[in-house]
Amino acid sequence: AQSVTQLGSHVSVSEGALVLLRCNYSSSVPPYLFWYVQYPNQGLQLLLKYTSAATLVKGINGFEAEFNKSQTSFHLRKPSVHISDTAEYFCAVSDAGNNRKLIWGLGTSLAVNP
Amino acid sequence: DVKVTQSSRYLVKRTGEKVFLECVQDMDHENMFWYRQDPGLGLRLIYFSYDVKMKEKGDIPEGYSVSREKKERFSLILESASTNQTSMYLCASILTGAYEQYFGPGTRLTVT
Repeated sequence: AQSVTQLGSHVSVSEGALVLLRCNYSSSVPPYLFWYVQYPNQGLQLLLKYTSAATLVKGINGFEAEFNKSQTSFHLRKPSVHISDTAEYFCAVSDAGNNRKLIWGLGTSLAVNP
Repeated sequence: DVKVTQSSRYLVKRTGEKVFLECVQDMDHENMFWYRQDPGLGLRLIYFSYDVKMKEKGDIPEGYSVSREKKERFSLILESASTNQTSMYLCASILTGAYEQYFGPGTRLTVT
């Protein structure tokens, strides 16, 4: 069965710092991997996705993630965060053949302080 | 732009009431989902639908039912609301073969 583990439910950093949000997955088939972001009082929106092309994926708002098959990881990073990046971040995985349904991590709450 | 709308942002209901949460998408997506979001528990799938009048149970269907009479509309029904159903409810849709699920803004339901 597929599963997703996000390490660290809360992360707090200063504005301008590098941030790394960790995601590990388990899947018996080639996965599709996703990061979604939820700003306060809003629904989720797609930040970036891995669908078996380049292992380094660039997303919106300066975020990027690297797919590492040997470590079964898909960590999200941003070199210099802004206060507006304060949000909840969710990692998700789906079957490559059935990308309609996603398996979700529990989320990481990122607080960016001035 | 794809738009997913939910009928209410905030809703307060009493225990035992029948509650309807409505979700409408405007991009002809075949697949629609209802999730529940609680602190520390992430998103949990309640039901999903891959076509009109078709539905499948998700991970936590107990206490809920759904209706999909038209392609653009997916309704979540709480037959007899209970306090443990106080939560944020999120609707999403996706085109078959696409990658991105589009989410509505959520309905924060409080059952007293």
